[in-house]
Amino acid sequence: NAGVTQTPKFQVLKTGQSMTLQCAQDMNHNSMYWYRQDPGMGLRLIYYSASEGTTDKGEVPNGYNVSRLNKREFSLRLESAAPSQTSVYFCASSVSLGANYGYTFGSGTRLTVV
Amino acid sequence: DQQVKQNSPSLSVQEGRISILNCDYTNSMFDYFLWYKKYPAEGPTFLISISSIKDKNEDGRFTVFLNKSAKHLSLHIVPSQPGDSAVYFCAASSISNFGNEKLTFGTGTRLTIIP
Repeated sequence: NAGVTQTPKFQVLKTGQSMTLQCAQDMNHNSMYWYRQDPGMGLRLIYYSASEGTTDKGEVPNGYNVSRLNKREFSLRLESAAPSQTSVYFCASSVSLGANYGYTFGSGTRLTVV
Repeated sequence: DQQVKQNSPSLSVQEGRISILNCDYTNSMFDYFLWYKKYPAEGPTFLISISSIKDKNEDGRFTVFLNKSAKHLSLHIVPSQPGDSAVYFCAASSISNFGNEKLTFGTGTRLTIIP
């Protein structure tokens, strides 16, 4: 089925370890996003990519880096994981940045940092 | 600074009754509003949207109302069904303001439909 695919679905890291969350979409969308969901905080934007070759910071970028590898793929990297980064991470994509185009979300990656 | 607020973390409604979910926003530049629905272990899915040029949009059992002067929107579900049990996120955007088109989400309301 067409959509947004995130890997892995679950991950446990030790403080200080690094990892990369992968995201791929097959809808030929130009824009891609990484959000994190925390209890009582809703979904907060970490980084986004308006189009291939561009990336920009969102609301909570500290501790993360991103790579827009090509039009399909947008990865999120934690260089030195901290317990505060325990969260559920969602990747999303849209035709363009405008919300009226609609965002399609992946099923999420549940990350625990111990 | 939370620009989109959902003040009710949870709501329980009897099956067949009306569910009303509320959302307030502070940024007067927002001109497009959406509701997303999220089931456990899944990503949010789009439910319904409304532009600021309208005050009501209806899609089947779902209706969204927008009160711009009060900076308030609400989602009505009539009649409520057990499958409606989920977390609902309100989201807003400024699609006419270049650079601010991205979605800003509220904190979510967990709706439970009681059979």
